[in-house]
Amino acid sequence: GAVVSQHPSWVICKSGTSVKIECRSLDFQATTMFWYRQFPKQSLMLMATSNEGSKATYEQGVEKDKFLINHASLTLSTLTVTSAHPEDSSFYICSARSVKGDQQETQYFGPGTRLLVL
Amino acid sequence: GQNIDQPTEMTATEGAIVQINCTYQTSGFNGLFWYQQHAGEAPTFLSYNVLDGLEEKGRFSSFLSRSKGYSYLLLKELQMKDSASYLCAVMDSNYQLIWGAGTKLIIKP
Repeated sequence: GAVVSQHPSWVICKSGTSVKIECRSLDFQATTMFWYRQFPKQSLMLMATSNEGSKATYEQGVEKDKFLINHASLTLSTLTVTSAHPEDSSFYICSARSVKGDQQETQYFGPGTRLLVL
Repeated sequence: GQNIDQPTEMTATEGAIVQINCTYQTSGFNGLFWYQQHAGEAPTFLSYNVLDGLEEKGRFSSFLSRSKGYSYLLLKELQMKDSASYLCAVMDSNYQLIWGAGTKLIIKP
C-alpha cells in the first residue's frame, strides 16, 4: 500500500515556541492531504484539508492563524503550530489521499507526531 | 446531519470470531472504510467497500449494504494483537471522510 511519512515523531517544546510537522507521501502523489488531532482516548478530529497549491480549508473551531498549513507540492504538506501552549499537546496525524485508476480514493495515514508543550 | 454509529467497546476471546457493526447516515456515499488503530499509533487501512457484498482479506472481511446504511467488519481466528480500536468511516458526496467514534476491541486469552 501507499506510504506516508511524518516528521518528527516526537516533539517536546516550551510554551510560546512554534513547531513544524512535515507530512510526505513517499510513493504516490497526493493532491489532498488532511491534518487530524487526537486527544487521549478520543476520536480523530479533522483540523483541516489541504489541497496542493491552494489555501487549506479549516474545520470549525480550528484557528487558521495558529495552525498554519502549507501544501507546496504533491508530496509534501506541513503543519506549523505557532506559539504553542500546553493545551496544544496532542497527537497530530496527517493523511494523504491517493486516487487509483478505478477512482477508489483511500486515505493513508502517517505514523503521527506526538507534541508535548511544557 | 451526518452520523456514523458503532459500538464503543467489544470483548472477545482469542481464537474466536467477532463482528463489529457500523451504521451510517450521510449526505451521499462514495465508499466505506475500516481502519485499525492501536493505542498510541496512527490508523492503518483495512478495507474499502463501495458495492454491496462481502470483501474478504485474510482473517478480516468487510460487508456493506448500501440500502440499509450498514456495514460490518468480521475478524476471524482472533489474536491478541487484534486488540485495538476499529474505525468506520464513510466518504460522502464531497469525498470527505465522516468518522465513527471507533470500537475498542478487547481480546482475552
